Amino acid sequence: GAVVSQHPSRVICKSGTSVKIECRSLDFQATTMFWYRQFPKQSLMLMATSNEGSKATYEQGVEKDKFLINHASLTLSTLTVTSAHPEDSSFYICSAPGQGNQPQHFGDGTRLSIL
Amino acid sequence: QKEVEQNSGPLSVPEGAIASLNCTYSDRGSQSFFWYRQYSGKSPELIMFIYSNGDKEDGRFTAQLNKASQYVSLLIRDSQPSDSATYLCAVAFTGTASKLTFGTGTRLQVTL
Repeated sequence: GAVVSQHPSRVICKSGTSVKIECRSLDFQATTMFWYRQFPKQSLMLMATSNEGSKATYEQGVEKDKFLINHASLTLSTLTVTSAHPEDSSFYICSAPGQGNQPQHFGDGTRLSIL
Repeated sequence: QKEVEQNSGPLSVPEGAIASLNCTYSDRGSQSFFWYRQYSGKSPELIMFIYSNGDKEDGRFTAQLNKASQYVSLLIRDSQPSDSATYLCAVAFTGTASKLTFGTGTRLQVTL
């Protein structure tokens, strides 16, 4: 079964809207979670590393004021795309390292479409 | 710039054949290597991971790592049409808790 739950799976909204995406670790605690973005026919690109109880670490070129990350608990990280525009339309995917030495597991992703 | 390179394909193999997928990486300090399968419109699914030089087998899948050549491969034996997907190679600088750098993926087509 899924070890990382991501919601919603799909969002369609108007330009200027802010959209919040949730990523939950199921049955385990994750002090770190990762947020990736994937444009059509491209690979996953890391946007930021979410750290429980502290500020997220953003990759070069990712606007931290536009992509707000909150990791307030050991099982939940949220990504808020503020004032989304059509160019933000993409597939957003979160992941969390597994327990012990287990590899990262990915959420099912969120397809964001901004009209 | 840490890079992971893959041939985009498509790689076409007949059903029952062996599919060989290759990946090279630029950062010699990389420690962990992963193969993910991604169906169109879906999230990546972990297939294999390998940390040490040599081969690692799991069912029909074998991952091969050569750190001296900075090369990692995935062999799929007895390929099935359901194996048709994009295969992503990913590399981590340290352990499993570190961020992943992905290749652009190789699209595999298994034909009947």
